[in-house]
Amino acid sequence: GENVEQHPSTLSVQEGDSAVIKCTYSDSASNYFPWYKQELGKRPQLIIDIRSNVGEKKDQRIAVTLNKTAKHFSLHITETQPEDSAVYFCAVNTGFQKLVFGTGTRLLVSP
Amino acid sequence: DADVTQTPRNRITKTGKRIMLECSQTKGHDRMYWYRQDPGLGLQLIYYSFDVKDINKGEISDGYSVSRQAQAKFSLSLESAIPNQTALYFCATSDLGSGELFFGEGSRLTVL
Repeated sequence: GENVEQHPSTLSVQEGDSAVIKCTYSDSASNYFPWYKQELGKRPQLIIDIRSNVGEKKDQRIAVTLNKTAKHFSLHITETQPEDSAVYFCAVNTGFQKLVFGTGTRLLVSP
Repeated sequence: DADVTQTPRNRITKTGKRIMLECSQTKGHDRMYWYRQDPGLGLQLIYYSFDVKDINKGEISDGYSVSRQAQAKFSLSLESAIPNQTALYFCATSDLGSGELFFGEGSRLTVL
């Protein structure tokens, strides 16, 4: 089955710095790559996604890049703010239209 | 607002007890899922259902069963709970088109 690895498991940055989280996957047939944000005590929510027909997608301070050849994709957050502190999960779809999640990255943004 | 609702939100039980977690949704989505969240392990899929007559096992279905009572209701059962089933459980829905998952608020289960 699909194997998704996510790094780093924790990431601490100063407010205003950039943060990058990377995921690798194993199934070359995967074509949908979302990122979810889970604030403390809350449910995961989609923040951005990308499909395999594009290499990059941006939404204000967040962006996702995809390298299908190398089978990895990354979440980039610029000008980080304390409210960006959360756990971030990458995910990859499988051939049966279900998502396999990475193990999560705890991002801490210090003022 | 259309939402995904889970009950109970918190439950403490003893080893060997039968437990049911319920999920209902007003989003009108056909697809429903049960995920388990453990620290450091992310979200693992237990069962999923693409319509009322369709039930599929996920990555970690052993020790669990599900019932899709209606398009809007999907329940998860632990027939005989054990301590390593202590976790946070999420129900989620999606529609066919976007692939985005909409999660419920979670049900925290503790098995003593």
